[in-house]
Amino acid sequence: NAGVTQTPKFRVLKTGQSMTLLCAQDMNHEYMYWYRQDPGMGLRLIHYSVGEGTTAKGEVPDGYNVSRLKKQNFLLGLESAAPSQTSVYFCASSSHRGDNEKLFFGSGTQLSVL
Amino acid sequence: SQQGEEDPQALSIQEGENATMNCSYKTSINNLQWYRQNSGRGLVHLILIRSNEREKHSGRLRVTLDTSKKSSSLLITASRAADTASYFCATDAKGAQKLVFGQGTRLTINP
Repeated sequence: NAGVTQTPKFRVLKTGQSMTLLCAQDMNHEYMYWYRQDPGMGLRLIHYSVGEGTTAKGEVPDGYNVSRLKKQNFLLGLESAAPSQTSVYFCASSSHRGDNEKLFFGSGTQLSVL
Repeated sequence: SQQGEEDPQALSIQEGENATMNCSYKTSINNLQWYRQNSGRGLVHLILIRSNEREKHSGRLRVTLDTSKKSSSLLITASRAADTASYFCATDAKGAQKLVFGQGTRLTINP
């Protein structure tokens, strides 16, 4: 049981380049999330999805796009990378909202934008 | 803006001692959760406490919640070197669509 898998684990981009981060979960979870983690800032929510075909903005959505075409996958896209997007990106999933919500996290993608 | 604020930001203790971390939040919540993050890894869920609960235990972990003070504490008893990690509280605010994480407490257990 793999849980939440993120690819790639590391990536270096030049300013202006584009890339897509892939998150896959095998737990049949409805909810999926993309966070970024920066030193001293904790985790900040970028975008999230409450089910296949749905997406919504989080706290820091600018410069990112997402898609949830399949229930098990949640893609995060950077159309034109900027140095301010250098960060560690985490994907997470949960089975449902409510008192029992518990997030399962991937191992992260370290992205550097030069 | 962060809902949860952890205190202290960093804590260093000797193996075998107890470690206490605190979390304060601003709005009414459905539940509060604690997560652990080992260096270079993703977060791992530790414990969830609902707004109508005051204390919860899981192994060497003890979590308290005081909704009148909008605060929670995580106590790790008889600490071990393997407890070295960052610990985050996350709040499930009423009416919100997602969990909001604090900045974390970096715990170091010295052998």
